[in-house]
Amino acid sequence: AQSVAQPEDQVNVAEGNPLTVKCTYSVSGNPYLFWYVQYPNRGLQFLLKYITGDNLVKGSYGFEAEFNKSQTSFHLKKPSALVSDSALYFCAVRDGNAGNMLTFGGGTRLMVKP
Amino acid sequence: NAGVTQTPKFRVLKTGQSMTLLCAQDMNHEYMYWYRQDPGMGLRLIHYSVGEGTTAKGEVPDGYNVSRLKKQNFLLGLESAAPSQTSVYFCASSSLGVRTEAFFGQGTRLTVV
Repeated sequence: AQSVAQPEDQVNVAEGNPLTVKCTYSVSGNPYLFWYVQYPNRGLQFLLKYITGDNLVKGSYGFEAEFNKSQTSFHLKKPSALVSDSALYFCAVRDGNAGNMLTFGGGTRLMVKP
Repeated sequence: NAGVTQTPKFRVLKTGQSMTLLCAQDMNHEYMYWYRQDPGMGLRLIHYSVGEGTTAKGEVPDGYNVSRLKKQNFLLGLESAAPSQTSVYFCASSSLGVRTEAFFGQGTRLTVV
C-alpha cells in the first residue's frame, strides 16, 4: 500500500530564512508526488509536482521540492520565507502501480515569524 | 470557471440523521474523490470514482456511501450520522492519469451532535 509521512507537525522559521518541510513516501511502483498548501478555512491549493526527470521541481510562490529516490523523500523548500507562507502543507503520492488513489500525509504547519 | 463546488458549506446533524453532500466540478474531470480532514490526521480518503457510474472504497469508507450518476457530480451520503463523523469534508477532482494534480473544493464542515 502507498503511504506518505510528514515527520514534523510544525516547522518554525524566521522571515527571510530558508525553510524545509519534510516528506517521505512508500510506493511499490513509480512515485508521482505532489505538494499542496491550505490556508485557514480554505481548500487545498496545488503547489508543485514531481512526475519524472529533474529531481528539483519548481512550483508556485517561489517554492521548490527535491526528489530523492534513494531516500524516498520529496522535501519542500524555499530560499527565503515570508510571513504569508504560514499555512498547513500537505505532501501526497500516487503509486504508478496502484493507479488512481491519491494518498496524503498528515500535514505540517509552517509558522513564519517576522 | 467555478472549479469544484461543494454544497453545503456547513451543517449540523443529530445522531442518526442522514444527509447527502454534493460535489460538482466543471472541468470535465474523470476522477473524483471524497476526503475527510481531522486534526492531526491529515486527509483520509473515504471513497473515489474513476468515471461515471464507478466508485471505489478508500481508506475510511465505513458509514459512508457514494454515487456518481453524472460525470460532473459526486455525492457522499451519510445514512445514520455518528459523532465520529464530525469532520471537514473535501471533494476533489482530477483528469485522467497518475501524473495529474487534484483540484479541491472549499470544504464542508459537518458537526454531528
